[in-house]
Amino acid sequence: GAGVSQSPSNKVTEKGKDVELRCDPISGHTALYWYRQSLGQGLEFLIYFQGNSAPDKSGLPSDRFSAERTGGSVSTLTIQRTQQEDSAVYLCASSLSRGRNYEQYFGPGTRLTVT
Amino acid sequence: AQTVTQSQPEMSVQEAETVTLSCTYDTSESDYYLFWYKQPPSRQMILVIRQEAYKQQNATENRFSVNFQKAAKSFSLKISDSQLGDAAMYFCACIDSNYQLIWGAGTKLIIKP
Repeated sequence: GAGVSQSPSNKVTEKGKDVELRCDPISGHTALYWYRQSLGQGLEFLIYFQGNSAPDKSGLPSDRFSAERTGGSVSTLTIQRTQQEDSAVYLCASSLSRGRNYEQYFGPGTRLTVT
Repeated sequence: AQTVTQSQPEMSVQEAETVTLSCTYDTSESDYYLFWYKQPPSRQMILVIRQEAYKQQNATENRFSVNFQKAAKSFSLKISDSQLGDAAMYFCACIDSNYQLIWGAGTKLIIKP
């Protein structure tokens, strides 16, 4: 079956512009995660959605970052007034449910470059 | 706070040989899961192997196995019979009580033909 997909694959934007990154999780997966991966670093948790519950936004680095998940499926991560330090790969993952033993399946990521 | 440390930024191994990647972690949890993920140049994270902390037996998946030392909080990955397709970044991760994955900085594995 189809895996997690993300679009665009690459995005170059000018400092100060807003960007939207999209994630399509695996069908039937109720949990969805956004991570940020800076060059040479591990993944940094950003935000987590589980079903219809309020999202866990504890990892968002500033109020310029927001995310929503419509209809329990597709998610959009929005970065407003982008800064050069926002340049990174943004990875989305989904899992069947929330829990320690549920494998997270990752998309290929969106590489964001802020010039 | 939980932390995961990978002390080897880069490792290289001859094709068909065995290599071990190190990982140490710190957690106050008594029940947790540990993971090794592989990230090839395509960027897509792929789960390699997982270990449940309450299980004493080391997990194995074909050529991949772990050496889980709970008291020492060590979780190393052994790759046997290394293949060119194993070349990638390898990340160790621990899941916390909020079900969030805490990641190490990664080890770049180079396979020499």
